[in-house]
Order: sequence, then structure tokens, then C-alpha cells
Amino acid sequence: ETGVTQSPTHLIKTRGQQVTLRCSSQSGHNTVSWYQQALGQGPQFIFQYYREEENGRGNFPPRFSGLQFPNYSSELNVNALELDDSALYLCASSLGLAGDRETQYFGPGTRLLVL
Amino acid sequence: GDSVTQMEGPVTLSEEAFLTINCTYTATGYPSLFWYVQYPGEGLQLLLKATKADDKGSNKGFEATYRKETTSFHLEKGSVQVSDSAVYFCALSDRGTGNQFYFGTGTSLTVIP
Repeated sequence: ETGVTQSPTHLIKTRGQQVTLRCSSQSGHNTVSWYQQALGQGPQFIFQYYREEENGRGNFPPRFSGLQFPNYSSELNVNALELDDSALYLCASSLGLAGDRETQYFGPGTRLLVL
Repeated sequence: GDSVTQMEGPVTLSEEAFLTINCTYTATGYPSLFWYVQYPGEGLQLLLKATKADDKGSNKGFEATYRKETTSFHLEKGSVQVSDSAVYFCALSDRGTGNQFYFGTGTSLTVIP
């Protein structure tokens, strides 16, 4: 059973650019959540996808968007990057509406630096 | 809204010392409570969880009891090791808000030999 994987591991962008981060969920998991973790802070919920539909959103602007694919992998897209978007972006998968839906399993994260 | 408050760090302990990291929560629904650990350069790993009042979660010598009366979920370990050095996050998942996770700000623990 493979765990949650994310790519790339590190990324450097400039202000105003767009970025796409990718996540492959743990085998059998149909729900993916994305979090932003600023340095020295706890993760902040961005949004969650369940079976390709957005299933909840935190307090992030519309320039943060996402997709979930039929194989339950997911993308996080951020447009018009700002300096404050520099953070570790974490993806977590869970079983959704079946089984232990409350426990989330996290990937190693993508560290984004916006210059 | 829902939130988690955990004790400020950093915490430095000698090996074999007793550890307590305090965590209190506010929730509108019926939360499940979690402790996650983050080792340097890695993602978050589930340490333990409790899904209802008076449940005790335990793993790797760590324990935490879900106390509804005090809205707390304090993490304890009787004898810490150098390998326990990490950042510990308390979190809740509220079934009333679609299982969104709310995390505390984390407590950094350093254990010295």
C-alpha cells in the first residue's frame, strides 16, 4: 500500500505567476484535502475534494482552486502568486464517507517559495 | 467557530523526563481529536486519536484522554527519548462541519541526552 505522494518537493516562483501542485492519494482513499502551512504555524485548511467534487472550503481566495481526477489524485492551482503564498502545502487523503473517514494521512508536502 | 489552542513552545526536556503538552478546543458539533507529529523535513504523521468523550488514544508510549468537561486533549508520555524530538500538533475534526480539520499552532519538543 503506497502512501500519499506529492510533487514537486520544492518550487520557486515569482510574484504574479501561477503554480500547480500535485497529489496522489493513498490507495483506496477517495477524499483529498489540501492545507497551507506557513513557517512556524499549524496547517490551515484550503479545501477538500470527495469523488471529484469540492466538499468544503476554508478561508482562502478564489485564486486557490483545485481538481480531483477519477483516480482520486488531485491538483492545487494558485494563480497570481503573492509573497505570502510562500509556505509548505500539504495534501491529505482519507476514506471519505466510508470506513475511518475522520483520519487523514498526509503527504510530505511541497515547499513553495514566492520571490 | 471551531478552534484548537495548544501550549506555546519550544519545550526542552532531558531524556526520560515526563512530557505534557496541553491542548484545549472549541467545537460547535461532535469533534474527534487527534495528535499529529511532524519530524524535521517530513509531513504530518498521525500519533493518536480519540473519537468520543472519555476515550483514551495511545501510541508509542504517548497517551491523551478526551475530556469533554474541560474541552481538553492533553498529550502525555512518561519517559521521553531523543527520537521524540519533533513538532506536535493537536487537531480536531468536527462532523458538524464536514470533517474539516482544525490544527493548533504546534509545540516543538527537543529532548536532550
